[in-house]
Amino acid sequence: QKEVEQNSGPLSVPEGAIASLNCTYSDRGSQSFFWYRQYSGKSPELIMFIYSNGDKEDGRFTAQLNKASQYVSLLIRDSQPSDSATYLCAVKVFGNEKLTFGTGTRLTIIP
Amino acid sequence: EPEVTQTPSHQVTQMGQEVILRCVPISNHLYFYWYRQILGQKVEFLVSFYNNEISEKSEIFDDQFSVERPDGSNFTLKIRSTKLEDSAMYFCASSWTSGESGSQYFGPGTRLLVL
Repeated sequence: QKEVEQNSGPLSVPEGAIASLNCTYSDRGSQSFFWYRQYSGKSPELIMFIYSNGDKEDGRFTAQLNKASQYVSLLIRDSQPSDSATYLCAVKVFGNEKLTFGTGTRLTIIP
Repeated sequence: EPEVTQTPSHQVTQMGQEVILRCVPISNHLYFYWYRQILGQKVEFLVSFYNNEISEKSEIFDDQFSVERPDGSNFTLKIRSTKLEDSAMYFCASSWTSGESGSQYFGPGTRLLVL
């Protein structure tokens, strides 16, 4: 059973629209959840993290966490072509230091 | 803005050779990590390091791998006898804390190719 699952995409969204990226996880001991953006050939770049149920907003990005459903999502408002990248969901389990990554969702913003 | 740096950016080596990958974490961070990403695959955790010792490691991090913080700024990953399957992008990361808000910041990576 995969620990962190993401739809690999590609997900195509028109410029200016809302992009919605989803992630599910299997370990109920999961404590905190991180969204990274990775451009092709580059390193993961931290967008934001969330560890409490509900929504957390940072600029055009909103992370949503539902621990009962073991589900975390990232919304990108007013999508820009520069948002085209692979979005990685990463999970940290209580007591561990490692991040467990999903395979990522490739997002393409269509001008 | 402080960032993690890594050298070299690319390394080509022959199978069986030793390689050392170098990282300079963000200066006030206390926790250091190595991850790798095989082409087309997900990012995988190798090892974490805190207070001059390994705090957690994965199954990948076998006896062929070692880490060291030789001075106050550098953090290194050594692969003693490289294998073809060690070809990957290796990322160093650092964080201020390891708690629930312990965000890990990644360096640009070293692309290792084992021939």
